[in-house]
Amino acid sequence: AQKVTQAQTEISVVEKEDVTLDCVYETRDTTYYLFWYKQPPSGELVFLIRRNSFDEQNEISGRYSWNFQKSTSSFNFTITASQVVDSAVYFCALSEATGNTPLVFGKGTRLSVIA
Amino acid sequence: DAEITQSPRHKITETGRQVTLACHQTWNHNNMFWYRQDLGHGLRLIHYSYGVQDTNKGEVSDGYSVSRSNTEDLPLTLESAASSQTSVYFCASSEQGRYGYTFGSGTRLTVV
Repeated sequence: AQKVTQAQTEISVVEKEDVTLDCVYETRDTTYYLFWYKQPPSGELVFLIRRNSFDEQNEISGRYSWNFQKSTSSFNFTITASQVVDSAVYFCALSEATGNTPLVFGKGTRLSVIA
Repeated sequence: DAEITQSPRHKITETGRQVTLACHQTWNHNNMFWYRQDLGHGLRLIHYSYGVQDTNKGEVSDGYSVSRSNTEDLPLTLESAASSQTSVYFCASSEQGRYGYTFGSGTRLTVV
């Protein structure tokens, strides 16, 4: 069975600090997809990134970066120079390749960035 | 622009009443999902559908039902609302799971 673990329930940082959100997954599939979603205080769920299991290159988008390591089954998310607007709940999710089973979500990590 | 909408955004109902939450998408996605979000539990799958007339149970389906009569809509019905069903409900749709989901804005349901 697939499983996503976000061990950090809540993280609090001071503005401009770097912060890494951990995501560890379990799957028997050799092909799969990983996602990160952001849920700001307004409540909507916003897609951030999708990564397939064959692409282990790290990705950077502005202050956001993602480190995918198949050897440790991890897909960690780093925010550099955090800002108050980064305060949100962040969810990691896993999909098997065929799309025949629903996305499995972690329980989320609540990030608070303090000015 | 294509979108996925949920209604109502907020609802208060009494224990024992039947409640239906609406979800409508114009993406023409075959796949639609209902999740509930509760503190400490993240997003938990209630029901899902991979096409018209197809429905499947998720991990927390007891007390809920869905029907899929067309591509655009997947209404979620609480047969007899209970206080334990107080939650925020999210509807989502996708072309395929590997592309991720598009979520609605959520419905906050309070059962008193």
